[in-house]
Amino acid sequence: GDSVIQMQGQVTLSENDFLFINCTYSTTGYPTLFWYVQYSGEGPQLLLQVTTANNKGSSRGFEATYDKGTTSFHLQKTSVQEIDSAVYYCAMSPVNTGNYKYVFGAGTRLKVIA
Amino acid sequence: DPKIIQKPKYLVAVTGSEKILICEQYLGHNAMYWYRQSAKKPLEFMFSYSYQKLMDNQTASSRFQPQSSKKNHLDLQITALKPDDSATYFCASSQDWGGSQNTLYFGAGTRLSVL
Repeated sequence: GDSVIQMQGQVTLSENDFLFINCTYSTTGYPTLFWYVQYSGEGPQLLLQVTTANNKGSSRGFEATYDKGTTSFHLQKTSVQEIDSAVYYCAMSPVNTGNYKYVFGAGTRLKVIA
Repeated sequence: DPKIIQKPKYLVAVTGSEKILICEQYLGHNAMYWYRQSAKKPLEFMFSYSYQKLMDNQTASSRFQPQSSKKNHLDLQITALKPDDSATYFCASSQDWGGSQNTLYFGAGTRLSVL
């Protein structure tokens, strides 16, 4: 079945550290891939989205590359700030379900210490 | 200003009772959805609507009934509440239903606790 795997439940960094959050997916065909960010007390909001395999998406200093070879979509940021503290969700909209039904990973809680 | 409004933000209910979760979106979108986020579980798709028509239902229980009185409204009625129903319920919308360019926008959620 369709799935998104985020192995890191929590990541704790200091300001200006490099961020790397793992995400791998499993589905048939080429889904659209997303990173959503959820701040405390709010709903998930779109951080970045990539529709085409082997393309890169970027937003607010965050980047992720759609790697169809390794079926991965890892999130990176060169220098995190305290305001980046939030839960990050990797997600996909599978082609085999018409792209309307998103599948989310378990989420990675990022804590950035000033 | 929030474009997807969910009410109430918090809800406490007793086992066996019935509650309605309200959702309105002001993004002009044609498709609306409900997702559930239970403790220690990923966000889980429940329902999708397009132009007020039910497109998909992934909720096994008939105790969960979406209601769409207008294109920008999608409420969720839950009957015979159980403690396992405790979760945060997120309403979402997208410009259209399906398609690789589609993007989902979420409300802030309703946190339901069933005692």
